[in-house]
Amino acid sequence: RKEVEQDPGPFNVPEGATVAFNCTYSNSASQSFFWYRQDCRKEPKLLMSVYSSGNEDGRFTAQLNRASQYISLLIRDSKLSDSATYLCVVSAFGGTYKYIFGTGTRLKVLA
Amino acid sequence: ETGVTQTPRHLVMGMTNKKSLKCEQHLGHNAMYWYKQSAKKPLELMFVYNFKEQTENNSVPSRFSPECPNSSHLFLHLHTLQPEDSALYLCASSQIKANYGYTFGSGTRLTVV
Repeated sequence: RKEVEQDPGPFNVPEGATVAFNCTYSNSASQSFFWYRQDCRKEPKLLMSVYSSGNEDGRFTAQLNRASQYISLLIRDSKLSDSATYLCVVSAFGGTYKYIFGTGTRLKVLA
Repeated sequence: ETGVTQTPRHLVMGMTNKKSLKCEQHLGHNAMYWYKQSAKKPLELMFVYNFKEQTENNSVPSRFSPECPNSSHLFLHLHTLQPEDSALYLCASSQIKANYGYTFGSGTRLTVV
């Protein structure tokens, strides 16, 4: 089983749609969770951290379910500029934080 | 200049060449990393340096040789690479014991011919 699993997509959605991605992780000792965004041929950039209570940043909402070991990202009112690959990242501490990346979910927002 | 800077952005090299990738961070971080990103694969951690000491080597072939002269600079020396080593090589930095995620450089796209 992969340490971090994501549906690779692509998710093709019309502008204005709401889209959700899930990610599952295998290490129950994982402590921190993030969503990164990666544009084509660019480096990953931190989109948001994911907190146990859930958190929101504008049109983006992240949720964590520790019991089921999955995290989710919800994007409301999709924009063309949201088209990218979204990477799920989990970390555990063992002297230093070690980050494990999923393969990413590709989103295409269509006009 | 701020952030994490990588050079060169693109590199084409033959299998018998020797080249080096450079990474510099201006964030005051004390941990630096090399990652490899191949098509349709997750980012693969290659090396970790904490306070310029190597703390992790993820079974990387010896044709990749890292060097960290100080907490701000990281190099990846390449020699006798194979075509399957063609990938995007990403440098990242972070603060040890702070869990705020990484800051990545823009990467070096390497093609081995």
